[in-house]
This record gives sequence, C-alpha cells and structure tokens, in this order.
Amino acid sequence: DVKVTQSSRYLVKRTGEKVFLECVQDMDHENMFWYRQDPGLGLRLIYFSYDVKMKEKGDIPEGYSVSREKKERFSLILESASTNQTSMYLCASSFATRGEQFFGPGTRLTVL
Amino acid sequence: DQQVKQNSPSLSVQEGRISILNCDYTNSMFDYFLWYKKYPAEGPTFLISISSIKDKNEDGRFTVFLNKSAKHLSLHIVPSQPGDSAVYFCAASRDEKLTFGTGTRLTIIP
Repeated sequence: DVKVTQSSRYLVKRTGEKVFLECVQDMDHENMFWYRQDPGLGLRLIYFSYDVKMKEKGDIPEGYSVSREKKERFSLILESASTNQTSMYLCASSFATRGEQFFGPGTRLTVL
Repeated sequence: DQQVKQNSPSLSVQEGRISILNCDYTNSMFDYFLWYKKYPAEGPTFLISISSIKDKNEDGRFTVFLNKSAKHLSLHIVPSQPGDSAVYFCAASRDEKLTFGTGTRLTIIP
C-alpha cells in the first residue's frame, strides 16, 4: 500500500512565524504535490516537484516555498505565516506517467 | 477561472438508490479524469478514473461517464450505502497535474 505521511495533523502558529510542513512518501514516486483545501474552493495546487531539487509553481504559490532534497521528502515552508494561510494542507505523490495521486492525511494549520 | 466545476455543493440520496454526481470542465486539453472521496479529517482517496478516449468506466458500484462534446463527466453510485456519505471531488489531469472541482457533499439517508 502506498503511504504518504505528514509530520503533523494539527498545528497552531503565530502570525510572522516560519512554518515547516513535512511530507514523506514510501513508494518511490517521482512527483510530489502540495495543496491547500478551503471550504467552497476545493483543492488548490501550491507547488509541485517532478524530481529531486526540482520545483514548479502551482496556482497559488504566493507566500510559500518548497524544498525537495530527497526523492521521498517534500517540504512546504511558510516564510512568515499570516492568518489567511489558515487552512488544511494536503500532500500528494504520484508516478511520473499516471494521473492518480495518493494523498496524506492532511495538516490542519491555524495561524493566530 | 474555475476550469473544473461541481455546481452542486450538496446532495442527499436515500440508501439503496442511485447517487449521481456531476462535474463540468472547460479545458479541452485535459486527458484524464478522476474522482476522489474525502472523509472529514482525512486526505482524499482515489475512487475511479477515466481516460479521455473512453466514455465509460465501471468499478463495482461506481461508474464514471464522460461526454467530451459537452465537457461533462458524472459519477454514478448504485446502490448507495451509508458509508458513501463523504465529499466527492472530481479532478482533471494535464501534464501530470490535477485541477480539482470544489466538491459535492453526498449524504446517504438510511
């Protein structure tokens, strides 16, 4: 079974703090993705990566950055957290040539 | 610009009846379509998919229909069961990226 794990299920941070969200997959997938899910907006792509040290902006990259130093790990970084970044963050991974993505359980981030 | 739309935010269906969830898209370059199911406090799980060269794919109680001329796909669940109560997202794929709809909350009434 594919397993995608995220470092925290719930996280509370203060405005201006630097926040790291970690994601690890165990299926040797080439592609990894970060989304945020908000009510009425569905899942929106923040950043994705096709390979180690490669990253591409998604639809809403502003205020975020990412790091992929190893194939199995993809980190999302909020350089200076703001209240409008309060959301559910979902990590996913997939093989290079297939559409199906496998998701982690999500991190509910609250920025106060 | 919402390229993938699910116009029904919610749907209630009696247990045992058919549930039909709809999805429309605008980009004709999408080549693969997927449905995901999401329970509260969990990540989405893959349900069923269809290639743009097909018009139907079936997997047990779940069938996805694709109408390319209308840029419309639908998910049929029959018979509906209480465990099917969840939020359903349709997604469209291009260049290995997925674009998701806003979701439909399905409630199965016992």
